[in-house]
Amino acid sequence: TQLLEQSPQFLSIQEGENLTVYCNSSSVFSSLQWYRQEPGEGPVLLVTVVTGGEVKKLKRLTFQFGDARKDSSLHITAAQPGDTGLYLCAGAGDDKIIFGKGTRLHILP
Amino acid sequence: DAGVTQSPTHLIKTRGQQVTLRCSPKSGHDTVSWYQQALGQGPQFIFQYYEEEERQRGNFPDRFSGHQFPNYSSELNVNALLLGDSALYLCASSSGTLVFWANVLTFGAGSRLTVL
Repeated sequence: TQLLEQSPQFLSIQEGENLTVYCNSSSVFSSLQWYRQEPGEGPVLLVTVVTGGEVKKLKRLTFQFGDARKDSSLHITAAQPGDTGLYLCAGAGDDKIIFGKGTRLHILP
Repeated sequence: DAGVTQSPTHLIKTRGQQVTLRCSPKSGHDTVSWYQQALGQGPQFIFQYYEEEERQRGNFPDRFSGHQFPNYSSELNVNALLLGDSALYLCASSSGTLVFWANVLTFGAGSRLTVL
Protein backbone atom coordinates (compact mmCIF):
# COMPACT_ATOMS: atom_id res chain seq x y z
CA THR A 1 0.00 0.00 0.00
CA GLN A 2 1.35 3.38 -0.98
CA LEU A 3 1.28 5.99 1.79
CA LEU A 4 2.23 9.64 1.92
CA GLU A 5 3.29 11.11 5.26
CA GLN A 6 3.08 14.87 5.66
CA SER A 7 4.82 16.90 8.33
CA PRO A 8 4.24 18.88 10.34
CA GLN A 9 0.57 18.17 10.84
CA PHE A 10 -0.06 21.73 12.09
CA LEU A 11 1.98 24.90 11.72
CA SER A 12 1.20 28.36 13.01
CA ILE A 13 3.68 31.15 12.26
CA GLN A 14 3.83 34.93 12.06
CA GLU A 15 3.37 36.84 8.82
CA GLY A 16 6.69 37.39 7.08
CA GLU A 17 8.36 34.20 8.30
CA ASN A 18 9.58 31.40 6.06
CA LEU A 19 8.43 27.79 6.37
CA THR A 20 8.91 24.36 4.84
CA VAL A 21 6.49 21.44 4.88
CA TYR A 22 7.34 17.92 3.87
CA CYS A 23 5.78 14.96 2.09
CA ASN A 24 7.49 11.58 2.41
CA SER A 25 6.89 8.04 1.25
CA SER A 26 8.66 4.72 0.99
CA SER A 27 7.14 4.32 -2.50
CA VAL A 28 8.18 5.80 -5.81
CA PHE A 29 5.61 7.97 -7.55
CA SER A 30 5.30 8.83 -11.24
CA SER A 31 4.45 12.38 -10.27
CA LEU A 32 3.61 14.33 -7.17
CA GLN A 33 1.11 17.15 -6.85
CA TRP A 34 0.50 19.79 -4.21
CA TYR A 35 -2.97 21.12 -3.52
CA ARG A 36 -4.32 23.80 -1.20
CA GLN A 37 -7.74 23.43 0.37
CA GLU A 38 -9.68 26.17 2.10
CA PRO A 39 -12.67 25.59 4.40
CA GLY A 40 -15.84 24.68 2.53
CA GLU A 41 -14.03 24.10 -0.73
CA GLY A 42 -12.38 21.29 -2.62
CA PRO A 43 -8.60 21.09 -3.04
CA VAL A 44 -7.09 23.30 -5.74
CA LEU A 45 -3.99 22.19 -7.61
CA LEU A 46 -0.88 24.30 -7.04
CA VAL A 47 1.77 22.35 -8.94
CA THR A 48 2.73 18.99 -10.43
CA VAL A 49 6.33 17.75 -10.28
CA VAL A 50 7.38 14.86 -12.46
CA THR A 51 11.16 14.58 -12.72
CA GLY A 52 13.37 13.52 -9.79
CA GLY A 53 15.18 16.58 -8.45
CA GLU A 54 12.77 18.96 -10.16
CA VAL A 55 12.25 22.39 -8.59
CA LYS A 56 9.27 24.57 -9.47
CA LYS A 57 8.54 28.08 -8.26
CA LEU A 58 5.14 29.70 -7.99
CA LYS A 59 5.68 33.28 -6.74
CA ARG A 60 6.70 32.83 -3.08
CA LEU A 61 6.19 29.04 -3.14
CA THR A 62 9.02 26.67 -4.08
CA PHE A 63 8.29 22.99 -4.68
CA GLN A 64 10.95 20.30 -4.88
CA PHE A 65 10.66 16.64 -5.90
CA GLY A 66 13.21 14.31 -4.37
CA ASP A 67 15.83 12.69 -6.58
CA ALA A 68 14.34 9.24 -5.93
CA ARG A 69 10.78 10.52 -6.51
CA LYS A 70 9.71 9.39 -3.03
CA ASP A 71 9.47 12.74 -1.30
CA SER A 72 8.73 16.39 -1.85
CA SER A 73 8.88 19.69 -0.01
CA LEU A 74 7.06 22.98 -0.19
CA HIS A 75 8.86 26.12 0.95
CA ILE A 76 7.00 29.40 1.45
CA THR A 77 8.96 32.64 1.67
CA ALA A 78 7.59 35.61 3.60
CA ALA A 79 4.31 33.92 4.49
CA GLN A 80 1.14 35.99 4.26
CA PRO A 81 -2.29 35.48 5.89
CA GLY A 82 -3.65 34.51 2.47
CA ASP A 83 -1.40 31.43 2.57
CA THR A 84 -3.52 29.99 5.38
CA GLY A 85 -5.09 26.65 4.47
CA LEU A 86 -4.66 22.89 4.31
CA TYR A 87 -1.75 21.85 2.09
CA LEU A 88 -2.08 18.38 0.62
CA CYS A 89 0.45 16.38 -1.31
CA ALA A 90 -0.80 13.72 -3.70
CA GLY A 91 1.10 10.99 -5.50
CA ALA A 92 0.23 9.35 -8.79
CA GLY A 93 0.79 5.61 -8.67
CA ASP A 94 -1.02 2.32 -9.30
CA ASP A 95 -3.37 4.15 -11.67
CA LYS A 96 -4.84 6.34 -8.96
CA ILE A 97 -3.94 9.49 -7.09
CA ILE A 98 -3.54 9.16 -3.31
CA PHE A 99 -3.31 11.96 -0.78
CA GLY A 100 -1.44 12.59 2.42
CA LYS A 101 -3.31 13.81 5.50
CA GLY A 102 -2.16 17.36 4.92
CA THR A 103 -0.44 20.17 6.79
CA ARG A 104 -2.78 22.74 8.27
CA LEU A 105 -1.02 26.10 8.00
CA HIS A 106 -2.11 29.22 9.85
CA ILE A 107 -0.39 32.53 9.23
CA LEU A 108 -0.88 35.08 11.98
CA PRO A 109 -1.11 38.76 10.92
CA ASP B 1 -16.83 27.51 -18.04
CA ALA B 2 -18.41 25.62 -15.16
CA GLY B 3 -16.11 23.60 -13.01
CA VAL B 4 -17.12 20.48 -11.12
CA THR B 5 -20.53 20.75 -9.52
CA GLN B 6 -21.78 18.53 -6.72
CA SER B 7 -25.16 18.12 -5.08
CA PRO B 8 -26.43 18.27 -2.48
CA THR B 9 -23.98 20.48 -0.59
CA HIS B 10 -25.13 19.28 2.82
CA LEU B 11 -27.33 16.45 4.01
CA ILE B 12 -28.20 14.64 7.19
CA LYS B 13 -29.12 10.97 7.34
CA THR B 14 -29.65 8.39 10.07
CA ARG B 15 -27.87 5.09 10.51
CA GLY B 16 -29.04 2.39 8.13
CA GLN B 17 -30.33 4.78 5.51
CA GLN B 18 -29.05 5.09 1.96
CA VAL B 19 -27.69 8.19 0.24
CA THR B 20 -26.99 9.24 -3.34
CA LEU B 21 -24.56 12.03 -4.16
CA ARG B 22 -24.25 13.57 -7.62
CA CYS B 23 -21.41 15.08 -9.62
CA SER B 24 -21.14 16.87 -12.95
CA PRO B 25 -17.56 17.01 -14.26
CA LYS B 26 -15.77 19.99 -15.71
CA SER B 27 -16.47 20.58 -19.36
CA GLY B 28 -14.11 18.48 -21.49
CA HIS B 29 -13.39 15.95 -18.73
CA ASP B 30 -14.53 12.35 -19.05
CA THR B 31 -13.19 10.73 -15.88
CA VAL B 32 -14.69 11.07 -12.42
CA SER B 33 -13.05 10.09 -9.14
CA TRP B 34 -14.71 10.07 -5.74
CA TYR B 35 -12.92 10.77 -2.47
CA GLN B 36 -14.00 10.68 1.18
CA GLN B 37 -12.48 13.31 3.44
CA ALA B 38 -13.04 12.83 7.16
CA LEU B 39 -12.59 15.82 9.44
CA GLY B 40 -8.92 16.72 9.79
CA GLN B 41 -7.81 14.12 7.24
CA GLY B 42 -6.71 14.10 3.63
CA PRO B 43 -9.01 12.77 0.91
CA GLN B 44 -9.24 8.97 0.69
CA PHE B 45 -9.73 7.47 -2.78
CA ILE B 46 -13.04 5.59 -3.15
CA PHE B 47 -13.19 4.78 -6.87
CA GLN B 48 -12.81 6.15 -10.37
CA TYR B 49 -15.17 5.94 -13.35
CA TYR B 50 -14.18 6.12 -16.99
CA GLU B 51 -16.32 5.18 -19.99
CA GLU B 52 -19.16 4.31 -17.62
CA GLU B 53 -17.12 1.63 -15.85
CA GLU B 54 -15.36 1.50 -12.50
CA ARG B 55 -11.68 1.59 -13.43
CA GLN B 56 -9.99 1.69 -10.02
CA ARG B 57 -11.23 1.17 -6.47
CA GLY B 58 -9.78 2.07 -3.12
CA ASN B 59 -10.17 0.23 0.17
CA PHE B 60 -13.88 0.82 0.68
CA PRO B 61 -16.61 -1.80 1.31
CA ASP B 62 -19.24 -2.80 -1.21
CA ARG B 63 -21.72 -0.50 0.54
CA PHE B 64 -20.08 2.19 -1.57
CA SER B 65 -21.10 1.96 -5.20
CA GLY B 66 -21.21 4.31 -8.12
CA HIS B 67 -22.33 4.94 -11.62
CA GLN B 68 -21.26 7.06 -14.55
CA PHE B 69 -23.72 8.21 -17.18
CA PRO B 70 -23.14 8.73 -20.93
CA ASN B 71 -22.81 12.51 -20.33
CA TYR B 72 -19.90 11.72 -17.91
CA SER B 73 -21.81 12.78 -14.81
CA SER B 74 -21.60 10.40 -11.88
CA GLU B 75 -23.37 9.25 -8.73
CA LEU B 76 -22.00 7.86 -5.50
CA ASN B 77 -24.32 5.62 -3.52
CA VAL B 78 -23.76 4.54 0.06
CA ASN B 79 -26.03 1.90 1.60
CA ALA B 80 -26.59 0.97 5.24
CA LEU B 81 -25.02 4.19 6.51
CA LEU B 82 -22.79 4.07 9.56
CA LEU B 83 -21.82 6.90 11.89
CA GLY B 84 -18.28 6.61 10.50
CA ASP B 85 -19.52 7.50 7.02
CA SER B 86 -19.92 11.11 8.15
CA ALA B 87 -17.48 13.05 5.98
CA LEU B 88 -17.03 15.44 3.09
CA TYR B 89 -17.42 13.54 -0.18
CA LEU B 90 -15.41 15.08 -2.97
CA CYS B 91 -15.82 14.50 -6.66
CA ALA B 92 -12.88 15.20 -8.96
CA SER B 93 -12.85 15.16 -12.73
CA SER B 94 -9.97 14.72 -15.14
CA SER B 95 -9.22 13.73 -18.71
CA GLY B 96 -8.85 10.02 -19.28
CA THR B 97 -6.99 10.60 -22.49
CA LEU B 98 -3.92 12.01 -20.74
CA VAL B 99 -1.08 9.84 -19.60
CA PHE B 100 -2.03 8.98 -16.03
CA TRP B 101 0.92 10.56 -14.32
CA ALA B 102 0.13 13.87 -15.99
CA ASN B 103 -3.48 13.84 -14.90
CA VAL B 104 -4.75 16.86 -13.08
CA LEU B 105 -7.74 16.59 -10.80
CA THR B 106 -10.33 19.37 -10.66
CA PHE B 107 -12.37 19.08 -7.49
CA GLY B 108 -15.87 20.14 -6.64
CA ALA B 109 -16.70 21.80 -3.32
CA GLY B 110 -18.01 18.51 -1.94
CA SER B 111 -21.12 17.12 -0.31
CA ARG B 112 -20.99 17.12 3.48
CA LEU B 113 -22.77 14.07 4.85
CA THR B 114 -23.70 13.81 8.51
CA VAL B 115 -24.96 10.45 9.79
CA LEU B 116 -26.83 10.54 13.10
